[in-house]
Amino acid sequence: EDQVTQSPEALRLQEGESSSLNCSYTVSGLRGLFWYRQDPGKGPEFLFTLYSAGEEKEKERLKATLTKKESFLHITAPKPEDSATYLCAVRRGGSNYKLTFGKGTLLTVNP
Amino acid sequence: AAGVIQSPRHLIKEKRETATLKCYPIPRHDTVYWYQQGPGQDPQFLISFYEKMQSDKGSIPDRFSAQQFSDYHSELNMSSLELGDSALYFCASSHIYNEQFFGPGTRLTVL
Repeated sequence: EDQVTQSPEALRLQEGESSSLNCSYTVSGLRGLFWYRQDPGKGPEFLFTLYSAGEEKEKERLKATLTKKESFLHITAPKPEDSATYLCAVRRGGSNYKLTFGKGTLLTVNP
Repeated sequence: AAGVIQSPRHLIKEKRETATLKCYPIPRHDTVYWYQQGPGQDPQFLISFYEKMQSDKGSIPDRFSAQQFSDYHSELNMSSLELGDSALYFCASSHIYNEQFFGPGTRLTVL
């Protein structure tokens, strides 16, 4: 069975204090690792898709990287508006459509 | 850009009642997914449809059914509602195996 483990469960940063979130995964034939941002009571907002080890993607203050066992979401000089839950999800290969999510990391950035 | 539309946004039902949730995918997306998110939980995959045919099935109770119509909108029908069905229900859409874009969700409360 596919497994996604995110750490830490919660992270509190000061504005401008860079850090990284971790997503470890076990999946048969990875066909995509996805990062989402979710604000309370709202739908997950798509951030990145990574498909192969060594791949990196960037968007503003966020950078996602992928190895064969884990992915990191690096946050550089975060701002209070970056506060949210960050979800990692994987899709297995074959004719599988579903995403299996981790439990997320709750990020709080204090001004 | 057009997003996924879900209705209603909030729904309150009594135990043993029936509920119908609707989802309108992003135009030209051919795949629709349904997820359930309980309080403090990660989204759990329920079911998906590709080109109006069921494509994948997760932990969806037998009391729930879903379908995708000719105009690509989808409906999730929930019968004999239980207290434990109270959750956020998200619809997502994508172009086949690409990244999934989530709607704002329907908050279902069962009393």
